[in-house]
Amino acid sequence: AQSVTQLGSHVSVSEGALVLLRCNYSSSVPPYLFWYVQYPNQGLQLLLKYTTGATLVKGINGFEAEFKKSETSFHLTKPSAHMSDAAEYFCAVTDNSGGSNYKLTFGKGTLLTVNP
Amino acid sequence: NAGVTQTPKFRVLKTGQSMTLLCAQDMNHEYMYWYRQDPGMGLRLIHYSVGEGTTAKGEVPDGYNVSRLKKQNFLLGLESAAPSQTSVYFCASTERLGTVNQPQHFGDGTRLSIL
Repeated sequence: AQSVTQLGSHVSVSEGALVLLRCNYSSSVPPYLFWYVQYPNQGLQLLLKYTTGATLVKGINGFEAEFKKSETSFHLTKPSAHMSDAAEYFCAVTDNSGGSNYKLTFGKGTLLTVNP
Repeated sequence: NAGVTQTPKFRVLKTGQSMTLLCAQDMNHEYMYWYRQDPGMGLRLIHYSVGEGTTAKGEVPDGYNVSRLKKQNFLLGLESAAPSQTSVYFCASTERLGTVNQPQHFGDGTRLSIL
């Protein structure tokens, strides 16, 4: 079964600092990978996704993530944090080994706090 | 463009009561999903549907039933609510998949408290 590990349930950064949220997955076949963001009292919004092709993926709001197959990782970064980035971030993967690539497995989430 | 709409947004139930959560999407999506979100647990899949008239169990289906009588609607039922079902419930939908996976679109959630 697929699993997703997000290191750090809570990350705190200063405004203007680098944001790094970590995601590792377990899969025998490279999955499709997603990052979602959830603002308070809202549903999840897609930040970016990796399916095939270029391993560095750019998303909305200045975020990007790099798929590293050798490390089974898909870490999310942003060069300079903004107060509006404060939210919970979820990494998710599908299993595209056949038959079930329409189901997502989510990590437990990382709450990002941005300090002024 | 409404996207995915969940009804109600908030509900308090007593143990043993029943209720139905409604999810409606206007994007003509084939696939629909119900998740529950609990602190520190991320999102866990309850049930899903790959098309009108079909349903399947997810990771945590016990205590819930679902129906997909119309393509645009996916209903989640609690027959006899228990305090362990206190959670935030999210509905999501996505297109029929081709060669590239499509992202899931989420509703704003239903906050359900069971006393």
